[in-house]
Amino acid sequence: EDKVVQSPLSLVVHEGDTVTLNCSYEVTNFRSLLWYKQEKKAPTFLFMLTSSGIEKKSGRLSSILDKKELFSILNITATQTGDSAVYLCAGVDYSGNTPLVFGKGTRLSVIA
Amino acid sequence: NAGVTQTPKFQVLKTGQSMTLQCAQDMNHEYMSWYRQDPGMGLRLIHYSVGAGITDQGEVPNGYNVSRSTTEDFPLRLLSAAPSQTSVYFCASSYGRPSSYGYTFGSGTRLTVV
Repeated sequence: EDKVVQSPLSLVVHEGDTVTLNCSYEVTNFRSLLWYKQEKKAPTFLFMLTSSGIEKKSGRLSSILDKKELFSILNITATQTGDSAVYLCAGVDYSGNTPLVFGKGTRLSVIA
Repeated sequence: NAGVTQTPKFQVLKTGQSMTLQCAQDMNHEYMSWYRQDPGMGLRLIHYSVGAGITDQGEVPNGYNVSRSTTEDFPLRLLSAAPSQTSVYFCASSYGRPSSYGYTFGSGTRLTVV
């Protein structure tokens, strides 16, 4: 059974801090891993990672995948209160025909 | 606006009632899925569809039915509501394989069963 585990489950930091969120996965015939940000409503897409060792960046957010060790990290530098959200990661198998398998998420709270 | 539309946004049901959660997308996406989200449980897959006329079960299908008669619509039916089905329900769609395109999510339906 495919499984995605995120840690920590919750995190409280101060504005300006740098945070690292972790995602480990066990997905048969793994193809890609996706990160989403969920504020009050629907998750919104952040990154898709397919190749090991290649960092994806978007502003203060970056993510990297390690296919050998089966994990990914999401880094957020110079955090702002607007970064407060639940961050979800999801794995997909190689066929791509089965839907995403999500972890339970990390709830990040950034306080001023 | 183009996207995934879910209705209703909120619903309260009595135990034993049935209802249908609606999901429609106007992006010509082949893949559609239903997830439920409970506190501390993340998103769990209920049912999914890879195209019109094709559906399959996910992790937690019991108590739910789906059909996909058109590309645009993917309704989720609760046959006999139970308090354990109190949750937030998300519909999601993808142009092609989710592994290549990721998902677009609807804004969710918050369901309470009393």
